[in-house]
Amino acid sequence: EPEVTQTPSHQVTQMGQEVILRCVPISNHLYFYWYRQILGQKVEFLVSFYNNEISEKSEIFDDQFSVERPDGSNFTLKIRSTKLEDSAMYFCASSNDRGQGQPQHFGDGTRLSIL
Amino acid sequence: AQTVTQSQPEMSVQEAETVTLSCTYDTSENNYYLFWYKQPPSRQMILVIRQEAYKQQNATENRFSVNFQKAAKSFSLKISDSQLGDTAMYFCAFMNHFNNDMRFGAGTRLTVKP
Repeated sequence: EPEVTQTPSHQVTQMGQEVILRCVPISNHLYFYWYRQILGQKVEFLVSFYNNEISEKSEIFDDQFSVERPDGSNFTLKIRSTKLEDSAMYFCASSNDRGQGQPQHFGDGTRLSIL
Repeated sequence: AQTVTQSQPEMSVQEAETVTLSCTYDTSENNYYLFWYKQPPSRQMILVIRQEAYKQQNATENRFSVNFQKAAKSFSLKISDSQLGDTAMYFCAFMNHFNNDMRFGAGTRLTVKP
């Protein structure tokens, strides 16, 4: 069964540094998402992306965050100047349609640790 | 804004028994979708079951079923014949009809005991 894949599985970065988290969505999916889960807390929506632009974003997704689909397969989340509170699990997800309650398929996540 | 509440931070059940996890939500929408996701220790998010708000019939997937009470805005998950592999965090999630940003509850940590 097709999967969403995320790399790396664990990223350790110094505070203030830029970090890029990578995702390869399921190949025929058109809608892509990033979620964040701070340790011990709930999963929080960050952003959705369709047709090379952001569809929705949450209040968490401020100017230090950006997303990109640099080629036909990758979907990236960049954090420009990381802070300690950015330490979390970051999940990428994809779906083949928007709305209509289409289930989102999640990757295994990238654990981001900011030192 | 929609909110999702899971009032049980932790639950446990004996293997082969039945357990029910609670979820309530708040919305002014009439058309929406509800989900239960499972997150085992491996941290992967796995879709367990999906319910369409306009369908009165409760969704069922093998040992997993829901009790969807639209008027009460309640969406509980029943796991029958619990297995050790069911041990995980369970998240209830809400999605409205027109976009895909899911709102998750805080989760319930379920432990199945042998």
